[in-house]
This record gives sequence, structure tokens and C-alpha cells, in this order.
Amino acid sequence: QQPVQSPQAVILREGEDAVINCSSSKALYSVHWYRQKHGEAPVFLMILLKGGEQKGHDKISASFNEKKQQSSLYLTASQLSYSGTYFCGTERSNNNDMRFGAGTRLTVKP
Amino acid sequence: NAGVTQTPKFQVLKTGQSMTLQCAQDMNHEYMSWYRQDPGMGLRLIHYSVGAGITDQGEVPNGYNVSRSTTEDFPLRLLSAAPSQTSVYFCASSYSSPYYEQYFGPGTRLTVT
Repeated sequence: QQPVQSPQAVILREGEDAVINCSSSKALYSVHWYRQKHGEAPVFLMILLKGGEQKGHDKISASFNEKKQQSSLYLTASQLSYSGTYFCGTERSNNNDMRFGAGTRLTVKP
Repeated sequence: NAGVTQTPKFQVLKTGQSMTLQCAQDMNHEYMSWYRQDPGMGLRLIHYSVGAGITDQGEVPNGYNVSRSTTEDFPLRLLSAAPSQTSVYFCASSYSSPYYEQYFGPGTRLTVT
């Protein structure tokens, strides 16, 4: 049961904000966010555990709505370095195999 | 620290050939995983290991074998390559649980003709 990400792609100008959503039809234990630049390996951004917590570092934050089984990644005042494909990964229980979404391609232009 | 290393970077195989993708990490992580990445499908888990001598199947294990004789190494074997196994393969490791803050290797791009 692969989580569904939206939008599939988004283009921004530097300084603009973006929201990427990740949703599942099943109850979730955790949501993980990764960023992958073209031709590179995915890099871990953050993990959110059930409980509806919100996390963030720098200008990237995320929330997890346990009731809706949905997580959102917020990128504020986007920078050129934010460009890449963002993936969410979900676990349905602790240490249960990870399923990744198809990704959201984010392009930030000057 | 080199982190997670993978060899080779690129490989072309003919249908029916076998090969081993190498993965090593020097961070003393207990947990290691193999993923394949196909366009439009994100990352899919092939096999994972929770420690030396312990492995388990992920979402798409068919056609692949793994073993974990040491903490550092986690090779992935393709038994009889098929064109459907053309993909980019990533190895990952993590410290506190199988999927928490995974460190990914640079990937191996495999083409099966």
C-alpha cells in the first residue's frame, strides 16, 4: 500500500512557499521524509511518529495528522538548494516494512 | 567515515546472468536495507537485515538473495537477471531501527538486456 503524494510536481520562484502532501488509506505509525537530488542518493529530512507532532529544521517543517493518515511537508521561503524530488515513506507499525510514495519533483527557479 | 558505499556504479547484464551488488557501511549500523528505484514508483524495499545473520524480505524480494555475515557488509545477489530488474539499486543503513534516519549509498544503475 504505497502512500500517495501530491502534487506530482511543483515549480516555484525563490522565496515562495510550497506544501507537499502524503496520504495513506491505512493507519500509520510513522512518516519519513527524504529529499533526492538528481543522480544522487536520497537524504533523510525528518521522521514523524503518530501523535500528531510537528517537526522542522531550518525552513522545512512537517506535520502528521494521525486521524487523516496524512502528512504535509512545508517549505517556506524556498531556496535554489531545495530543488529535488521529495519522497515520503510510511510504516504501518513499528519496524514494519517501509513503503515510499512516488515522489514530488520540486523545482525552484531564480 | 566513508558512510555507505556501493559497487559497481554501473552494470550491464544479459538476461540469465547472475551478479552480486556490493554494499558496505563503516558506521557500525545494525540495520541495512536494499531498495530499487524505478521511474514513477519511488523506492521499493527488496530485503532488509536487523543484524549480522538476520535477514528478511521486503516488498519485492523475488529474484534476489541477501546474506549478512558481518555488520559492515550486505551484498545483494541477482540469481538470473531479467529485463524487469533494470533499475537503480540503493543500499541503506540505519542505527536505531530498520527505517529511522537511513543513510543511503550512491546507488548502482543496472541494465539487463
